[in-house]
Amino acid sequence: TQLLEQSPQFLSIQEGENLTVYCNSSSVFSSLQWYRQEPGEGPVLLVTVVTGGEVKKLKRLTFQFGDARKDSSLHITAAQTGDTGLYLCAGAHWGNYKLTFGKGTLLTVNP
Amino acid sequence: NAGVTQTPKFQVLKTGQSMTLQCAQDMNHEYMSWYRQDPGMGLRLIHYSVGAGITDQGEVPNGYNVSRSTTEDFPLRLLSAAPSQTSVYFCASSSLERGGREQFFGPGTRLTVL
Repeated sequence: TQLLEQSPQFLSIQEGENLTVYCNSSSVFSSLQWYRQEPGEGPVLLVTVVTGGEVKKLKRLTFQFGDARKDSSLHITAAQTGDTGLYLCAGAHWGNYKLTFGKGTLLTVNP
Repeated sequence: NAGVTQTPKFQVLKTGQSMTLQCAQDMNHEYMSWYRQDPGMGLRLIHYSVGAGITDQGEVPNGYNVSRSTTEDFPLRLLSAAPSQTSVYFCASSSLERGGREQFFGPGTRLTVL
């Protein structure tokens, strides 16, 4: 089983702070996705990174794919209460369509 | 577009009962999949399909059956429910043009087996 380890598992911060969450594996992935899930809802795709070393920005969120395509990070600048949720990373493999999900980072942004 | 829809939203079963969780998508996606989400376990793939008439097992297939008779629908059947199947079930779909990577999820079915 190709595992994706996410850290930290829980993160509670104040509004306005910056944070970084990590997604690490010993396996190489063809691409990596980040999803956000709010309570009682399904995950929603935020971004896909495909190229090793790629950096993508989505407003205050910055996503990076590691050079070796084994890890990724999500950095949030000036967190807002609306950023609260479960952040999931998922790795895609060459040759099949299955995704491997990490267990997620539960982020709480306090006002 | 409604996207991915799932019914029912909540369900309570007794041990040994059977039921079918419904999933439908209106995006003409070839790839559809079922996941279960348990606390501390993340999303685990149960079964998936790359087109009508084609299904395959995921990470945790035991106790579940699927079929794919149309592009739109991908029902998940619990043959004889067990308390270990208490979970939140998500259906997802994606286009094979995108390598099946970027998945659209339904709102989930919360199942409790007593």
